[in-house]
Amino acid sequence: DAGITQSPRHKVTETGTPVTLRCHQTENHRYMYWYRQDPGHGLRLIHYSYGVKDTDKGEVSDGYSVSRSKTEDFLLTLESATSSQTSVYFCATSVAGTGADTQYFGPGTRLTVL
Amino acid sequence: ELKVEQNPLFLSMQEGKNYTIYCNYSTTSDRLYWYRQDPGKSLESLFVLLSNGAVKQEGRLMASLDTKARLSTLHITAAVHDLSATYFCAVDMKGTDKLIFGTGTRLQVFP
Repeated sequence: DAGITQSPRHKVTETGTPVTLRCHQTENHRYMYWYRQDPGHGLRLIHYSYGVKDTDKGEVSDGYSVSRSKTEDFLLTLESATSSQTSVYFCATSVAGTGADTQYFGPGTRLTVL
Repeated sequence: ELKVEQNPLFLSMQEGKNYTIYCNYSTTSDRLYWYRQDPGKSLESLFVLLSNGAVKQEGRLMASLDTKARLSTLHITAAVHDLSATYFCAVDMKGTDKLIFGTGTRLQVFP
């Protein structure tokens, strides 16, 4: 397994508060991804990074921002959380985008917005 | 826009039986990935299929890719309870570094 950790693992917050989720990897993978998983939708890409300070939007990026100041850390921020952002968030990494290498997933963060 | 559809969405099957999960996608792509997710857990990579006609097998699971038909199959042979999980296919959005996931197939294997 790629060494991927996510923190926190569980969080309950209130509508309108800012929330930051952290993904940390020890594999020196260039690419990092944030997904959300909701029943009936599979996984949907929020944002991804293809290098330090290089990020791009995914399918469902509205209401989310990301930052990557070091290879090993990729932060996902909900500027003002809404109930529709209640979900399970997964971080993933890969060596080289969507090539021969698969994506390796972290354990997930369950976020509840009240 | 790339769309990925899996069917069935839910599959209940008896131990020892064979079955196939289908993954259809809407636009050209040469790369397809299969993942497994146990309840409350993360996703685990099963197969990476990188070209038309690719076939990979691991234990009781075999995956294939037909890029002309835009179809991948995950075939289960002689199912056992340990295969109970949700299976996702994901397709490379060509020219990007993004994957689009199917909605998943929840498999339950009973005695």
